[in-house]
Amino acid sequence: AQSVTQPDIHITVSEGASLELRCNYSYGATPYLFWYVQSPGQGLQLLLKYFSGDTLVQGIKGFEAEFKRSQSSFNLRKPSVHWSDAAEYFCAVGPTGTASKLTFGTGTRLQVTL
Amino acid sequence: GAVVSQHPSWVICKSGTSVKIECRSLDFQATTMFWYRQFPKQSLMLMATSNEGSKATYEQGVEKDKFLINHASLTLSTLTVTSAHPEDSSFYICSARNRVGTEAFFGQGTRLTVV
Repeated sequence: AQSVTQPDIHITVSEGASLELRCNYSYGATPYLFWYVQSPGQGLQLLLKYFSGDTLVQGIKGFEAEFKRSQSSFNLRKPSVHWSDAAEYFCAVGPTGTASKLTFGTGTRLQVTL
Repeated sequence: GAVVSQHPSWVICKSGTSVKIECRSLDFQATTMFWYRQFPKQSLMLMATSNEGSKATYEQGVEKDKFLINHASLTLSTLTVTSAHPEDSSFYICSARNRVGTEAFFGQGTRLTVV
């Protein structure tokens, strides 16, 4: 069965500092990986996705993620965090090549201090 | 990007009544839509998958008679919570997959409170 682990429930960073959110997955085949962001009381917005090709994926809002097959990881990074980045971040995995029946991690809540 | 609209954004209902939540894809045809449930400070749990013109497929442990899903057109899916009880209070989110199927677009969610 597929699963996603986000080890950090809550992270606090200072504005302007770098950020890395961890995501580890378990999947029997080639995974289709996603990072979503959710603001309080809102739906999910796709930050980036990986299916194949270059293992470093660029997304919106200055985010990037690196797929490391050997570590079963898909960590999200941002060089310089802005206060508006404070939100809940979810990593998700789905069947190869299709965004169906996604399995989500438990999420990481990002707090940004000024 | 594609837009998925969910309505209402929030609803309060009395215990024992039914509530209908709509999920619309505004600028693309969604042959498949997904319904998720999110408890406070927890992740999203897939409830069911609905394909246009056919019966929904429910995940294990989800009561199909309680959570009625209809996907009558390529742009609309509805979730009806029947005989709602306080334990059904939750955040319900739909997503719609495009024809190519490589991306799912999420609605803004519906906060249901049963009193």
